[in-house]
Amino acid sequence: AQKVTQAQTEISVVEKEDVTLDCVYETRDTTYYLFWYKQPPSGELVFLIRRNSFDEQNEISGRYSWNFQKSTSSFNFTITASQVVDSAVYFCALSEALDNFNKFYFGSGTKLNVKP
Amino acid sequence: EAGVAQSPRYKIIEKRQSVAFWCNPISGHATLYWYQQILGQGPKLLIQFQNNGVVDDSQLPKDRFSAERLKGVDSTLKIQPAKLEDSAVYLCASSFNRGGGETQYFGPGTRLLVL
Repeated sequence: AQKVTQAQTEISVVEKEDVTLDCVYETRDTTYYLFWYKQPPSGELVFLIRRNSFDEQNEISGRYSWNFQKSTSSFNFTITASQVVDSAVYFCALSEALDNFNKFYFGSGTKLNVKP
Repeated sequence: EAGVAQSPRYKIIEKRQSVAFWCNPISGHATLYWYQQILGQGPKLLIQFQNNGVVDDSQLPKDRFSAERLKGVDSTLKIQPAKLEDSAVYLCASSFNRGGGETQYFGPGTRLLVL
């Protein structure tokens, strides 16, 4: 079974539209961490946010906001007033603690196309 | 602060040849990861080092892939012999070992094409 599911393979929006990228995760741990990364066409994965399982407060950073809901095992990412520069592949990831190290699982990614 | 460095950025080889990739993590980061990212997919962890010891290599095809991290800093990943299906981007990442949910920082990757 997939640990991290990003059901939306590709989304296209027009500039200034709001868009939400979905992420559903699966874990039996009580302590875990969730991440979002952006991968622009250049290829480098850029860290956006990290949340721990005990902090369900929504977070806003400029045009970006994240909605973490443990009840539905979801960690969704919303871009408000999208811009062409937001075009990229976005990955959600889960980190679980195992013995003496953390194991990471990445989703398959959602490709966002923002058209002018 | 300098980021994760990788070289080469691009490599084209023929099948059955050998290839090696190099990674220099962010200074002070104890944990180093190698990922394989096939086009259109998410990164898949190949191997994870904590200092110079391997903590997870469960998805490393050990018949052809090997990796080492001498002195707990730089790391090399080798493929010998390469197959067509090894064509992918190889990403190196590092994190500071504080325990629990460490953020990984990624290098630019090495794009490998096996012909």
